[in-house]
Amino acid sequence: AQSVTQLGSHVSVSEGALVLLRCNYSSSVPPYLFWYVQYPNQGLQLLLKYTTGATLVKGINGFEAEFKKSETSFHLTKPSAHMSDAAEYFCAVSEGQAGTALIFGKGTTLSVSS
Amino acid sequence: DAGVIQSPRHEVTEMGQEVTLRCKPISGHNSLFWYRQTMMRGLELLIYFNNNVPIDDSGMPEDRFSAKMPNASFSTLKIQPSEPRDSAVYFCASSLIGGQGYGYTFGSGTRLTVV
Repeated sequence: AQSVTQLGSHVSVSEGALVLLRCNYSSSVPPYLFWYVQYPNQGLQLLLKYTTGATLVKGINGFEAEFKKSETSFHLTKPSAHMSDAAEYFCAVSEGQAGTALIFGKGTTLSVSS
Repeated sequence: DAGVIQSPRHEVTEMGQEVTLRCKPISGHNSLFWYRQTMMRGLELLIYFNNNVPIDDSGMPEDRFSAKMPNASFSTLKIQPSEPRDSAVYFCASSLIGGQGYGYTFGSGTRLTVV
């Protein structure tokens, strides 16, 4: 069975600082990995995804993530935080097979202070 | 495309009442997913459909919950009778089968409060 662990339910950074949100996964088959962002009172929006190929993937709003198979990790980073990045971030995994569901981590709330 | 449309956006009901949540997926998508979000448990998969057929309903918490997808453009999640512990935000999402590489498109959710 697949699972996702997001380390740290709450991360606080200053504007302009590096953002690092941690995600570790468990999957018995090669996974597809995703990061979603949720702003207050809204649905989830896809930030970026890894399926196959290049292990460093770039997403919207300057975010990127690196798939590290040996560490079973898919950490999300952004070099310089902006106030508008304050939101909840979810890491998710699927088995990469047709028709299977995404399993989400519990989420990390990112706060950005000026 | 208008995206995944959920209704209502907010629902307040009394314990014991029947609640029906509705979802219209993106046209052409053939997988539909219902998730529940709470502070304590995060995002939980309740049930999903492929080509209108329920594939996995192991996440449905109790027999009080039921979901249907009578056609490719409509799905319902029903709770009967509702209880205060059902209070949560319920999300519907859709995708293409085999399109997991593209992720899902989520609706804006229905915030359910059972008093």
